[in-house]
Amino acid sequence: DAKTTQPTSMDCAEGRAANLPCNHSTISGNEYVYWYRQIHSQGPQYIIHGLKNNETNEMASLIITEDRKSSTLILPHATLRDTAVYYCIVRVGGSGTYKYIFGTGTRLKVLA
Amino acid sequence: DSGVTQTPKHLITATGQRVTLRCSPRSGDLSVYWYQQSLDQGLQFLIQYYNGEERAKGNILERFSAQQFPDLHSELNLSSLELGDSALYFCASSPLGGGFNGYTFGSGTRLTVV
Repeated sequence: DAKTTQPTSMDCAEGRAANLPCNHSTISGNEYVYWYRQIHSQGPQYIIHGLKNNETNEMASLIITEDRKSSTLILPHATLRDTAVYYCIVRVGGSGTYKYIFGTGTRLKVLA
Repeated sequence: DSGVTQTPKHLITATGQRVTLRCSPRSGDLSVYWYQQSLDQGLQFLIQYYNGEERAKGNILERFSAQQFPDLHSELNLSSLELGDSALYFCASSPLGGGFNGYTFGSGTRLTVV
């Protein structure tokens, strides 16, 4: 079963920041949080991951709370092409057997 | 192009039949993962192979099997197909067993069972 819960859907105005929350209250100390997105029926695309510290890359920022029970993915300037289903995932397993258990994700719609 | 190649892109077959889906991982990646995505189930992890050996199993039915060959490509075999097996099947790859920087997914095979 997925270890994360996310809102089912969200809307965001084009050009504004999109903040996608995720709850992972049962996360263990060494489990990473990953974010992927899936545009229409294409293969999921890796966005970003983190353990405890906030992370930023060219696509997004990831803010993880100090207790690690929740996180927020931030798309700083959302565009219409960011319309997708966003999955927050806790990577489970051990060395060599890591796997991602996908939940139902958040359907983000960026509005013109 | 993600570098992960899945063939065929579309497959239509009848109930009771057997099909084989193929995946070529990104160059240099040793691990291959298979996922099934149906409308009512979301993305379900099926199985992982690392350098030819099975490493992790998820919700894979007994009618399904997979293997990874010495050249690292992988095949997912689905037999005694049922209408409920209609889904998108994704393959993903990562350099080692950990996929630390994430998996790279292919574009999927859409299977329709009629």
